[in-house]
Amino acid sequence: DLTQPPSLSVSPGQTATITCSGDKLGDRFASWYQLKPGQSPVLVIYQDNQRPSGIPERFSGSNSGNTATLTISGSQAMDEADYYCQAGDVGTVVFGGGTKLTVL
Amino acid sequence: QVQLQQWGAGLLKPSETLSLTCAVYGESFNGYYWTWIRQSPGKGLEWIGEISHTGITYYNPSLKSRVSISVDTSKNQFSLRLDSLTAADTSVYYCARGRHRGATLNFDYWGPGTLVTVSS
Repeated sequence: DLTQPPSLSVSPGQTATITCSGDKLGDRFASWYQLKPGQSPVLVIYQDNQRPSGIPERFSGSNSGNTATLTISGSQAMDEADYYCQAGDVGTVVFGGGTKLTVL
Repeated sequence: QVQLQQWGAGLLKPSETLSLTCAVYGESFNGYYWTWIRQSPGKGLEWIGEISHTGITYYNPSLKSRVSISVDTSKNQFSLRLDSLTAADTSVYYCARGRHRGATLNFDYWGPGTLVTVSS
């Protein structure tokens, strides 16, 4: 199981840090998805710290020990969304419970 | 540009069977894992299962007895079947492309989602 805080609130321009905890998670790769109401999820980080093409540089990730972290530097109003961590390989995919990020 | 389009019935009764299909455009079907993921109201994402282009399937153990995923490579389509529906299966169902990178699978393209409501 992957555990995330249910919610996080930051002011515009601040750094948002969202954690994802799991047993020996650092031994696996973590991915992160952004989900806004009425839209499909968007992959924002894969393989712990890689950004897909088109994802802003303010999104970064890390993973060590039992915790993976998504960092949004200089949060903007458009970053307000639910964020989900994900780990696992073919046949063993698991998602975290999600974190609702509020930027106001 | 890869696009996934999905369709299927949106309103079903308890005990009925859910059937959704996802078509893939703009990219080869080979080399990826074609996946179904759902989100129940007010809850998080749940992995349902996936299929390789060769037809090998993997399912969430919690759904394994009721779920089936199939592929039609001639049409670049894959399908989900979920039997014996209950209200707890009410969710938005997404199809997605699973890309195997290193020792991990992640999902870089998603369909628009289909809201499936199970109600008598």
